[in-house]
Amino acid sequence: NAGVMQNPRHLVRRRGQEARLRCSPMKGHSHVYWYRQLPEEGLKFMVYLQKENIIDESGMPKERFSAEFPKEGPSILRIQQVVRGDSAAYFCASSPWTGRFGEQYFGPGTRLTVT
Amino acid sequence: DQQVKQNSPSLSVQEGRISILNCDYTNSMFDYFLWYKKYPAEGPTFLISISSIKDKNEDGRFTVFLNKSAKHLSLHIVPSQPGDSAVYFCAAKTGTASKLTFGTGTRLQVTL
Repeated sequence: NAGVMQNPRHLVRRRGQEARLRCSPMKGHSHVYWYRQLPEEGLKFMVYLQKENIIDESGMPKERFSAEFPKEGPSILRIQQVVRGDSAAYFCASSPWTGRFGEQYFGPGTRLTVT
Repeated sequence: DQQVKQNSPSLSVQEGRISILNCDYTNSMFDYFLWYKKYPAEGPTFLISISSIKDKNEDGRFTVFLNKSAKHLSLHIVPSQPGDSAVYFCAAKTGTASKLTFGTGTRLQVTL
């Protein structure tokens, strides 16, 4: 059973470009979460999605960031007009159910570097 | 506002001894707690969890203790092994929300 897949593993973008990060959840998982880890910090929640729905985007910056989880295909985290402060590791996690006992399983992350 | 705190950024333990990692939280609405282990350049790996209705959960070498009145939990690893050297994150969630709130992590080094 393949784990959570993320690609690309490393992404370099110049200031002002767009970054697209992809996440394929574990088989049978319909809940996807995105987290960001800045250098020397813990993981911070960004957004929680189910198929075709954004459930909680309370951690998402109001501008330039968007996320989707279409009926078919991977979840996409999109960052428009990247700035140096967006440089971080972005982790996707999935779970088969929500509620209090739903452990989340993480992918290997995408390391975004903005030059 | 840091709702989950890991006040020890690093810990060094000899192989075979017990490792104790601590975590404090401030939000009394948290009712489920998890520990994750993370190696460099990899995603966090789920280790063990505990519900707020329990005070202890054990899985092999790993035991998590929860003290609700003190809003404190700890992860015990015994015996510690060199492969346990990693960063350990404590995380918490509420029953009605699915997002995890993470601590800042404790780097454990198990020495020979």
